[in-house]
Formats: sequence, structure tokens, C-alpha cells
Amino acid sequence: DIQMTQSPSSLSASVGDRVTITCRASQSVSTYLNWYQQKPGKAPNLLIYGSSNLQSGVPSRFSGSGSGTDFTLTINSLQPEDFATYYCQQSYSTPHTFGQGTKLEIK
Amino acid sequence: VLLVESGGGLVKPGGSLRLSCEASGFAFSDYYMNWIRQAPGKGLEWVSYITNSGSSISYADSVKGRFTISRDNAKNSLYLQMNNLRVEDTAVYYCARQIFTVAGSRFDPWGQGTLVTVSS
Repeated sequence: DIQMTQSPSSLSASVGDRVTITCRASQSVSTYLNWYQQKPGKAPNLLIYGSSNLQSGVPSRFSGSGSGTDFTLTINSLQPEDFATYYCQQSYSTPHTFGQGTKLEIK
Repeated sequence: VLLVESGGGLVKPGGSLRLSCEASGFAFSDYYMNWIRQAPGKGLEWVSYITNSGSSISYADSVKGRFTISRDNAKNSLYLQMNNLRVEDTAVYYCARQIFTVAGSRFDPWGQGTLVTVSS
């Protein structure tokens, strides 16, 4: 199975900040990497697919990049509604494994 | 596009439970479907998928031999039969549609989840 490791596990930031979350795969997943946002008590919501494609309806302050084993999710100008937990997920091979999550908290 | 899970509850170790996921707003029979779970306070774990026709199925090692995924395209419904449940199966179970494009596959949307608690 491909292991996905996110860093950091938690992050404190302020409204208006720019933040970057990193996801590393244990082997190459090409660009088959997705990002999800999850708020407490809610289901995950797709943000980015195929490493850098913004899901319809997702604000343009979210962006993704990377290929192979190293990926980043960047949020520009943090808004209050962005404080949540973020997960990466590889779709290169089954099982489609997730990172352990990055909790983004308000500073 | 909506997915609504049901069937969760409290069950004793070794017991069984059947989860359902009712789909609406899209051509259910065109899509692979998945079950993904989340233990309390933990991350996401993919559990199982079934192809659109039901001809191919895959399971996580942690549930293989105990869980059975199935679907009824006439009823726009996905199921997960869970047998010989363990305490470590306690989680919120989500159903999710799998979309395939040249950019790979992704899970979208997800249902609201149904909580399964395995405890004596």
C-alpha cells in the first residue's frame, strides 16, 4: 500500500495568512493526488483533484501543486471558514490511501 | 446530487449490521461507489469499492472476509453488510461516488455518514 504523510499535523494561522500543507507519498503517484476539506461533524468535501485542478465551486484562494511523491496545498488569504482539517488522498492505486490529516486552527 | 446513508447503530462485538446508501440526482448505475470510514477523532480509511455494474469489488485488508459490498442499480442503492464486527470497526461510515477522468479518480460527493458503534 502507498503511505501518505502530511505535514504539519496541525497548524495555527490568522485570517489573511497564506498557508501551505505538504503531502508526501511513499512512492510515485504521478499527479493522482486529491485534497479534501473536512469541518467538524461534516463529511469531507473535495477541493483539488489531479494535484492541481480546482473542484467546481471551490474558491480560487485554494491551489494545489506537485507530482511524483511531493505535493502541496496552498490557501491564500485565509478566511474564517477555512479553519478545518485537510486530507490528501492518492488515486494511483488501490487501496486509495489518505494522509493522516492537517488541522488548521485559528491563531 | 445526494447520498444518504442509514443503518448505523450500536452492536456488540461479533454482531452484524447492514448499512445502506441511497443515491439521487445522478445516473447511479454509471458510477463506481465506495465506502470510507472514520474512527472517532481519527483520519479517513477507505473500506471498499464496487464497480458500476457490480462485476468487480475490492476491500481493505482490515475488513476482507467480514464485510460485503453490494448495490442495486434499480433502487439507486449501495449496501455494506458488516459481519463479525470488532471494537475497532467503530466509526462513521461514509458512502462516496467515485469519478474517473484523465486527472485520475476522486471521491465526490460524500454522504453525511452513519455512525457504527461496536461495544459490549
